[in-house]
Amino acid sequence: KQEVTQIPAALSVPEGENLVLNCSFTDSAIYNLQWFRQDPGKGLTSLLLIQSSQREQTSGRLNASLDKSSGRSTLYIAASQPGDSATYLCAVGSGAGSYQLTFGKGTKLSVIP
Amino acid sequence: SAVISQKPSRDICQRGTSLTIQCQVDSQVTMMFWYRQQPGQSLTLIATANQGSEATYESGFVIDKFPISRPNLTFSTLTVSNMSPEDSSIYLCSVVLAVPGELFFGEGSRLTVL
Repeated sequence: KQEVTQIPAALSVPEGENLVLNCSFTDSAIYNLQWFRQDPGKGLTSLLLIQSSQREQTSGRLNASLDKSSGRSTLYIAASQPGDSATYLCAVGSGAGSYQLTFGKGTKLSVIP
Repeated sequence: SAVISQKPSRDICQRGTSLTIQCQVDSQVTMMFWYRQQPGQSLTLIATANQGSEATYESGFVIDKFPISRPNLTFSTLTVSNMSPEDSSIYLCSVVLAVPGELFFGEGSRLTVL
């Protein structure tokens, strides 16, 4: 059974800092990995999707990497802003044609002005 | 991406009652799903909503408790039946669009059962 762990559970940084969020998974036979953002009381916003054949994806100030062999992904946020404050969720998809995702519990990020 | 609308956005309900949550997508999608997020927990898949047929439920979820309808490619409902305080959660509708495997989510429906 796939398990997804996100460390740290919470992170507080001053505005302008670069930061890294970590995600690890137990079964390396994944189809893809997706990073989401969730604001309090809201739904999820898709940030980046990495297919199993890819090593990284970039969108603006966000860069996500994937190392299947070690069961790890990182989300790098450059020049953090207060608007980046949210909970970031990592989700792993297993099996082509199966869209069931296994989610981590998330990292709650606070960017202090 | 798609615009995914859920109703209600939140509700407070009494124990023993039932509530139906609606999910409307602004484009036709093949795959629709319902997730639950309990307080302080991550998301758990309840079921896949199949158009024109019975939903496919994950382990631990049953049709009698969470009946799902999907009459067409843009709409689905999830009913939470005979509610108890343990059903207090955020319920989220999600869809898969053109990019293989990329999921998009609605805003969620926050349910509190007293």
